[in-house]
Amino acid sequence: EPEVTQTPSHQVTQMGQEVILRCVPISNHLYFYWYRQILGQKVEFLVSFYNNEISEKSEIFDDQFSVERPDGSNFTLKIRSTKLEDSAMYFCASSEFGYNEQFFGPGTRLTVL
Amino acid sequence: AQRVTQPEKLLSVFKGAPVELKCNYSYSGSPELFWYVQYSRQRLQLLLRHISRESIKGFTADLNKGETSFHLKKPFAQEEDSAMYYCALRGRTGNQFYFGTGTSLTVIP
Repeated sequence: EPEVTQTPSHQVTQMGQEVILRCVPISNHLYFYWYRQILGQKVEFLVSFYNNEISEKSEIFDDQFSVERPDGSNFTLKIRSTKLEDSAMYFCASSEFGYNEQFFGPGTRLTVL
Repeated sequence: AQRVTQPEKLLSVFKGAPVELKCNYSYSGSPELFWYVQYSRQRLQLLLRHISRESIKGFTADLNKGETSFHLKKPFAQEEDSAMYYCALRGRTGNQFYFGTGTSLTVIP
């Protein structure tokens, strides 16, 4: 059964550094999403992406964040200058259409030191 | 405001006992609600959605608009039900989900 994959599973970085989190959505899916979960808190929506552009973003998704689909398979989340409070689990998800079930990846744990 | 509340962080029941995981929501209009489950070391996966009105792995959930609730129930808990359960509400635009903080269910053998 096809699955969403994410790399790396764990990323450690220094404050102020740029990080890129990678996701490979399910191949025939058209909608892509990023969520994050700070330890002990709820899963929070960051951004949705469709047709090579952001379709919706939350207040969390400020100018430090960007998303890209650099080729036909990858979907990336870039954090330009990481802060301590960016430490969280980041989940990628994809769906075939906008109102369909979202399939989640296993997550990337980002630790900012 | 669109919000989901799961009042219980931890819930323990004995195997064979009934289980109910509570979820309340805040939403003006007709909500679309879901339960996601995350088993140990696995990814978040959809358990059920209210519009399907289905029973998955013995779990059911009924939308109660009067009480703004979408509680998850199972009459006889099994050990393999031990997991983290998240209630989620689809936002107005359809793209984003609002998740609760989750309830960790432990089924005691």
